[in-house]
Amino acid sequence: EAGVAQSPRYKIIEKRQSVAFWCNPISGHATLYWYQQILGQGPKLLIQFQNNGVVDDSQLPKDRFSAERLKGVDSTLKIQPAKLEDSAVYLCASSPRFGAGASTDTQYFGPGTRLTVL
Amino acid sequence: GQNIDQPTEMTATEGAIVQINCTYQTSGFNGLFWYQQHAGEAPTFLSYNVLDGLEEKGRFSSFLSRSKGYSYLLLKELQMKDSASYLCAVKGGSYIPTFGRGTSLIVHP
Repeated sequence: EAGVAQSPRYKIIEKRQSVAFWCNPISGHATLYWYQQILGQGPKLLIQFQNNGVVDDSQLPKDRFSAERLKGVDSTLKIQPAKLEDSAVYLCASSPRFGAGASTDTQYFGPGTRLTVL
Repeated sequence: GQNIDQPTEMTATEGAIVQINCTYQTSGFNGLFWYQQHAGEAPTFLSYNVLDGLEEKGRFSSFLSRSKGYSYLLLKELQMKDSASYLCAVKGGSYIPTFGRGTSLIVHP
């Protein structure tokens, strides 16, 4: 079974530029998560999708970040314009579905995209 | 809101046993996960607890006490490859997962 795919793996941009990240979850997984992980910290949830609907985006800085999952499969996360403090690893994860239980809620993470904003 | 607390760093000797603690305060509770994350890599699932007690899986065990808001991850027969960050993640009443900052474990010979 293929894992969660993410691209690009690395991205370097200057502040005020735009950037987009792509995620392809494990086939059949209904729930998709985007996390921001700053060096030395745990992952911080940015947005959670169930199929193509948003479950939670309370920590997404909506003035500059946007995310979509149009057909309930692939997802893109965009930052426009980027700030220095956006330098982090952006992790995408998927799980079979949203709810209770390890079998449904265990998250499988992609390799992440390391973003450096200069 | 949710608050999750873990020690920042721990060191241990190869072959020894180490216990990594996690305390949490949440509105409701729907499960606690432990993940392992090697430097520069994505987190990988280790264990899940939703009921009180000990869950054992090979060299790794995880314990939960819901009344105390407390969990620990126990690693036995430590190996050098166990050097990694260990993340405690809690699902509160909304089922939204919240991760702690992680505990960096350094295993030395």
